[in-house]
Amino acid sequence: GQNIDQPTEMTATEGAIVQINCTYQTSGFNGLFWYQQHAGEAPTFLSYNVLDGLEEKGRFSSFLSRSKGYSYLLLKELQMKDSASYLCAVPDSNYQLIWGAGTKLIIKP
Amino acid sequence: DTEVTQTPKHLVMGMTNKKSLKCEQHMGHRAMYWYKQKAKKPPELMFVYSYEKLSINESVPSRFSPECPNSSLLNLHLHALQPEDSALYLCASSQDGTSGNEQFFGPGTRLTVL
Repeated sequence: GQNIDQPTEMTATEGAIVQINCTYQTSGFNGLFWYQQHAGEAPTFLSYNVLDGLEEKGRFSSFLSRSKGYSYLLLKELQMKDSASYLCAVPDSNYQLIWGAGTKLIIKP
Repeated sequence: DTEVTQTPKHLVMGMTNKKSLKCEQHMGHRAMYWYKQKAKKPPELMFVYSYEKLSINESVPSRFSPECPNSSLLNLHLHALQPEDSALYLCASSQDGTSGNEQFFGPGTRLTVL
């Protein structure tokens, strides 16, 4: 079967760095997506990793280890607007997204 | 234009009503999706259209009826819904529904069934 795990909630301080982990078990691998979703709004795409390693995009970076079935999203220089849910998702064999439950990130001043 | 639009933003309906949700994109995407999302849960896939043909129906009750009039439009017709169908309904599109193509989401329709 397919399974995605990520922490339910995390708290961090404005200006700090936070790492949100995601572990997955899939039959086959077609890459891994990270989305951000503010409360009551639609998910927005953050990153897509298909090869091992770190991909940096401004304040956000995403890492993938296919051998470990592991990814993380790294957020630097946290801002209050980064308070949101962060969803990890992997495509299944039909290329449809299997979603993690999401990690609610709370930023404190 | 990198936007997916959805109307209406909010909808309140009774269990005997018939209503429709509409979604539109002009990015030339050939895959379009309907998701249902309950509070504090991830999106739940309902339907996928690929090249205007229904390719995936995730065992959705027949009171939800999708329609894809053309490559830019996607509708979701609602009839005889139940209160538990109240949720945020999200439309999304992607280039062609294959791996690596990010999905672009619309703002959603917040549906309340009384």
